[in-house]
Amino acid sequence: NAGVTQTPKFRILKIGQSMTLQCAQDMNHNYMYWYRQDPGMGLKLIYYSVGAGITDKGEVPNGYNVSRSTTEDFPLRLELAAPSQTSVYFCASKPGQNQETQYFGPGTRLLVL
Amino acid sequence: GQQLNQSPQSMFIQEGEDVSMNCTSSSIFNTWLWYKQDPGEGPVLLIALYKAGELTSNGRLTAQFGITRKDSFLNISASIPSDVGIYFCAGPGGSNYKLTFGKGTLLTVNP
Repeated sequence: NAGVTQTPKFRILKIGQSMTLQCAQDMNHNYMYWYRQDPGMGLKLIYYSVGAGITDKGEVPNGYNVSRSTTEDFPLRLELAAPSQTSVYFCASKPGQNQETQYFGPGTRLLVL
Repeated sequence: GQQLNQSPQSMFIQEGEDVSMNCTSSSIFNTWLWYKQDPGEGPVLLIALYKAGELTSNGRLTAQFGITRKDSFLNISASIPSDVGIYFCAGPGGSNYKLTFGKGTLLTVNP
């Protein structure tokens, strides 16, 4: 199993541009998550999904959108990039409701200039 | 919402020293998780704790689930350079779906 994969590893965007951060998992996990990590601030939950077709907002959803059309994929969309979205983005997944452990991807580093 | 206070924020130690860090919660947790994030990588689970008072080891790492269920401790013995990274505590974030993370302890080991 590849586990949780994320692409791209690094991206520079201009203010106002849009992009999609890709996340895929091959473990047949129902739950998937998007976090952003800013220096010294830990991990903030952006959006999560408890299964295909179901998504919900986390702590910091503004400026982002997600979709979950399949169990495997959970893309994160930035429509109008802003400097405040400069961060490292992590995708994670877990098997089911009663299992707390989340498995993380390697991250996407995004710089908005 | 639930908050986790993790301390210290950072540590700079010599190789071979023991390390201790802790995490406290504003509410009771039923599970405590400790993750490590290597530079440039995603967090990886080190230890999971499920019972108050539980003491669990993983090699040179030992973690404890506090009796009050509002705290947890992680100890690293005889540190080595590859212990460098950020250590996060985490617990259920008020639901079965989400985790609440501490802000992390940045560990630097001087060879």
